[in-house]
Amino acid sequence: EDKVVQSPLSLVVHEGDTVTLNCSYEVTNFRSLLWYKQEKKAPTFLFMLTSSGIEKKSGRLSSILDKKELFSILNITATQTGDSAIYLCAVEAGDNYGQNFVFGPGTRLSVLP
Amino acid sequence: ETGVTQTPRHLVMGMTNKKSLKCEQHLGHNAMYWYKQSAKKPLELMFVYSLEERVENNSVPSRFSPECPNSSHLFLHLHTLQPEDSALYLCASSLIWVGGSNTGELFFGEGSRLTVL
Repeated sequence: EDKVVQSPLSLVVHEGDTVTLNCSYEVTNFRSLLWYKQEKKAPTFLFMLTSSGIEKKSGRLSSILDKKELFSILNITATQTGDSAIYLCAVEAGDNYGQNFVFGPGTRLSVLP
Repeated sequence: ETGVTQTPRHLVMGMTNKKSLKCEQHLGHNAMYWYKQSAKKPLELMFVYSLEERVENNSVPSRFSPECPNSSHLFLHLHTLQPEDSALYLCASSLIWVGGSNTGELFFGEGSRLTVL
C-alpha cells in the first residue's frame, strides 16, 4: 500500500527561526512529489519535485528530493507569523495518470511573534 | 482564487436528507477529484475523473455518488449520511498531458464544510 509520512506532525517556533519539514514515502511507480500549504481551506501549491538533488526555491522556501532514500525536505528560513499553516506533502504514484495522489498527514507549523 | 469553485461552502444536513456538492473549474483541466479531509487524518481520495475515466476508492460508501457531466463540472451527491461523514470536502482539478511523466499539480477549491446531524 502506498504511504506518505511527514515529520514532525507539529512544530512551534519563533519568528526568524529556520525550520525543516520532512516527508518520506513508499509508493509504487513514483511520478512526482508535491508540497502544499494549507492555511484555512484550500491547499495552495508550493513545489513539485521529480528529480533528485535539484533544489527548488521560492523566496524563503526551498525544497529538495532524494529519490534514492525516498524523502524530501521543505526548508523555511527567517520564518514569519504568516508562515503558520499546515504543510502537506503528496506523492503522485501508480500506473495511470492522475489517479493516485497520496497525501501525508501534514505538519502543523506555528510561528510565534 | 485558484480557478476551482465549490458550492456550498457550508452545509448542515440530517441523516435522511439528500443534498449535492458542486465543483466547477475554469482552468481547462481534464481531471477532477473529490477529497475528504477529516480532523487529524490525511486527505483521502474519494473519486477521480481522469481523461473521462472514473476511478473510485473502493472504501468510499455508496451513500456518496459522484457525477461528472463534462470536464468542467463535478458533483458529489449525498444521501442518508452518517455523523462520521462530517468533514471538509475538497474538489481539485489537474491537467494531464498523456505521454508526460506526471500529472502536474492539483488545484484545490475552498472546500465544502459538511456537518451531518
